[in-house]
Amino acid sequence: GENVEQHPSTLSVQEGDSAVIKCTYSDSASNYFPWYKQELGKRPQLIIDIRSNVGEKKDQRIAVTLNKTAKHFSLHITETQPEDSAVYFCAATLSNTGNQFYFGTGTSLTVIP
Amino acid sequence: DAGVTQSPTHLIKTRGQQVTLRCSPKSGHDTVSWYQQALGQGPQFIFQYYEEEERQRGNFPDRFSGHQFPNYSSELNVNALLLGDSALYLCASSLVRESSYNEQFFGPGTRLTVL
Repeated sequence: GENVEQHPSTLSVQEGDSAVIKCTYSDSASNYFPWYKQELGKRPQLIIDIRSNVGEKKDQRIAVTLNKTAKHFSLHITETQPEDSAVYFCAATLSNTGNQFYFGTGTSLTVIP
Repeated sequence: DAGVTQSPTHLIKTRGQQVTLRCSPKSGHDTVSWYQQALGQGPQFIFQYYEEEERQRGNFPDRFSGHQFPNYSSELNVNALLLGDSALYLCASSLVRESSYNEQFFGPGTRLTVL
């Protein structure tokens, strides 16, 4: 099956700086890559996703890039704010096989005011 | 429009007991997936229900079973509980459509503690 690796496991940035989280996947057939934000004690929330026919997607301060050849995708958060502090998970799936999502191990992001 | 709901919020059981967790999908969704999230880890796929049948299963023993009802709600049952079953159990719902990328939306989870 699919294997998703996520780095770094922890990340601290100063408020206003950028944060980058990287994930690699093993199954070249995977075609949907969502990112979730999970605050302490709360549910994972979908923040952005990218599909295999697109190389980059932006939503305000958040962007995701996908390199299908290298089988990696990254989350970019610009102008970080303290409320961005949370655990971020990447995931990969082949969308037409019943949506089994394979998750990375998570990145704990701390934005220092 | 109600999102995904789960009950109970927290549960404490002892080893060997059985537990049932419940999930109601987001309005309009027909598919429910269950995940186990151990502390400090990413969610691990348990199984998925669609049209009242288990459609796909992750690497979990038969002690984990489930059910989906005609209204698309679902239950997760775990028998013969082990200490290692202590985790946050997340339910995620989606709408299965051909030729589409089906976003999954998560419920708040049930925190299970096995003593």
